[in-house]
Amino acid sequence: KAGVTQTPRYLIKTRGQQVTLSCSPISGHRSVSWYQQTPGQGLQFLFEYFSETQRNKGNFPGRFSGRQFSNSRSEMNVSTLELGDSALYLCASGPSLSTDTQYFGPGTRLTVL
Amino acid sequence: AQSVTQLDSQVPVFEEAPVELRCNYSSSVSVYLFWYVQYPNQGLQLLLKYLSGSTLVKGINGFEAEFNKSQTSFHLRKPSVHISDTAEYFCAVILSGGSNYKLTFGKGTLLTVNP
Repeated sequence: KAGVTQTPRYLIKTRGQQVTLSCSPISGHRSVSWYQQTPGQGLQFLFEYFSETQRNKGNFPGRFSGRQFSNSRSEMNVSTLELGDSALYLCASGPSLSTDTQYFGPGTRLTVL
Repeated sequence: AQSVTQLDSQVPVFEEAPVELRCNYSSSVSVYLFWYVQYPNQGLQLLLKYLSGSTLVKGINGFEAEFNKSQTSFHLRKPSVHISDTAEYFCAVILSGGSNYKLTFGKGTLLTVNP
């Protein structure tokens, strides 16, 4: 099976712009989660989608949003980018239950100038 | 709310030496416990997980971890490390009994294996 893929792998934006990141889960997985990884804050949960519905949400401002399509692919959007949004954004997919293993993609490295 | 503390931010060891990476968690409800590894410029890979049953869990690459409920710990061990084990290791928890994938991670421990 192909793993979790994320596009693009690298992205450079300027403050005030918006960005959309994409995640394709492993075939058959219905859950997609997003995490932000920074040197200062570590790994922080953004949100999780399951069968096109947001199932969980972390403590991030409304500038961070996401969605999931019927084929389980997911996108996350960040509007009005700030310097502090520079991070590695990781996507993970899983079948359904919290006891199932989640598989992570390689991440998208976002740099905000 | 649950939290995870990884007591060491960096652990340097020599090749073939044993290693223990420490993890403590705090939660008012039952949790599932995980260890992930991240190699440079890569995503996270699951090493092992504790859901229930035997408190000693064996994972990939020769790693194992022991769940200690009284000490709320889940330390990761390997009896003999290799250069290729150099990576960052993350301990994480999920609330048990639910249908969600919200992982709470520790800050990570950078394991550096020297020749």
